[in-house]
Amino acid sequence: GQQLNQSPQSMFIQEGEDVSMNCTSSSIFNTWLWYKQEPGEGPVLLIALYKAGELTSNGRLTAQFGITRKDSFLNISASIPSDVGIYFCAGRQNSGGSNYKLTFGKGTLLTVNP
Amino acid sequence: EAGVAQSPRYKIIEKRQSVAFWCNPISGHATLYWYQQILGQGPKLLIQFQNNGVVDDSQLPKDRFSAERLKGVDSTLKIQPAKLEDSAVYLCASSLQGANYGYTFGSGTRLTVV
Repeated sequence: GQQLNQSPQSMFIQEGEDVSMNCTSSSIFNTWLWYKQEPGEGPVLLIALYKAGELTSNGRLTAQFGITRKDSFLNISASIPSDVGIYFCAGRQNSGGSNYKLTFGKGTLLTVNP
Repeated sequence: EAGVAQSPRYKIIEKRQSVAFWCNPISGHATLYWYQQILGQGPKLLIQFQNNGVVDDSQLPKDRFSAERLKGVDSTLKIQPAKLEDSAVYLCASSLQGANYGYTFGSGTRLTVV
């Protein structure tokens, strides 16, 4: 099946630093989504991207939909301790009909040292 | 707006036993998903419902897993008999109908098979 390669697997940074993570695929996706998951909870949607080249911000988070439609990145600026969690990219191919299946990357574990 | 409700939060069973999980989606969300998340991995789709019809169950191990969504609202996912490799978090998510909507996930049920 489709695979999303997400990197890095983990990051350990100091509070105030900027963070960047990305996701690549051999397949084209029509939608890219970024989620954050905290321990014991389900993933929470951070940013959704619907067009190639689109750059979208949500507070300190910025994400871009790659022009080839095979990649996306997420940046977090001026990190704070509550940014700790696992960040997942997810892609949707819009294969037609009612199939809205998402394919998820393996996640990036972010640790922020106060 | 109430979120996606799941129960139980935790379940420990012995292999070969059966188990059932329950999900109540956000009111008005026609689409409901069950995902399996193994430790250290991203969520993997098991089954997608549109109202009470199945849209995609291609990755559901049908010899032991079953799911239903009666009346197009609540859903149950059952495993019978359970195997050790079924240990995972089972996430339910719902969304509005249409490809341009992100999901809302529940907090999940953590299953441990011993």
